[in-house]
Amino acid sequence: GQQVMQIPQYQHVQEGEDFTTYCNSSTTLSNIQWYKQRPGGHPVFLIQLVKSGEVKKQKRLTFQFGEAKKNSSLHITATQTTDVGTYFCAGRAGSARQLTFGSGTQLTVLP
Amino acid sequence: NAGVMQNPRHLVRRRGQEARLRCSPMKGHSHVYWYRQLPEEGLKFMVYLQKENIIDESGMPKERFSAEFPKEGPSILRIQQVVRGDSAAYFCASSPGLAGAVYEQYFGPGTRLTVT
Repeated sequence: GQQVMQIPQYQHVQEGEDFTTYCNSSTTLSNIQWYKQRPGGHPVFLIQLVKSGEVKKQKRLTFQFGEAKKNSSLHITATQTTDVGTYFCAGRAGSARQLTFGSGTQLTVLP
Repeated sequence: NAGVMQNPRHLVRRRGQEARLRCSPMKGHSHVYWYRQLPEEGLKFMVYLQKENIIDESGMPKERFSAEFPKEGPSILRIQQVVRGDSAAYFCASSPGLAGAVYEQYFGPGTRLTVT
């Protein structure tokens, strides 16, 4: 079945440093979505990427979808303490009827 | 517009009891998804339902677990004869159409199940 892997599993950064999480799928994806889950909270949708090579920005967050539509990345510039949480990618392959979530990257920002 | 609602937020059950988790999707959403999340782990898909239909239950354990989404009322995830390994956070999500096609999923606050 489809597998979606994320690295790293954990990342500690000093406030102001950059952060990147990577998502890799075993199969070609129709699209990819990113979610953020604050500690003790529930996942919240951030963005969806559909096109090969697509890049989208949300303030300090930059999302990329690979040319082969099998990988994606989320980059945060100049992290802030409000960025703390776990970031999940989720992809749907072809005719699959459900999203497969990556294992998540847990970000800690040290003040 | 109320978001996805789940209740109870916390549920404690003794081994062997039944757990019933409820999810009311966002208004206008007809697609419901259930996920299980163990501490420090990701979201594991369990089941995808539309009104009165189970569309995909490939992530659901074969025994003790069942789900429904009746014509009227919330979606229910039912766990019979709970065991300690069932302790987890159970999240429900909804979307107006097939999630990941065009639509994103909106998650509820989750039900934290503890089996003692």
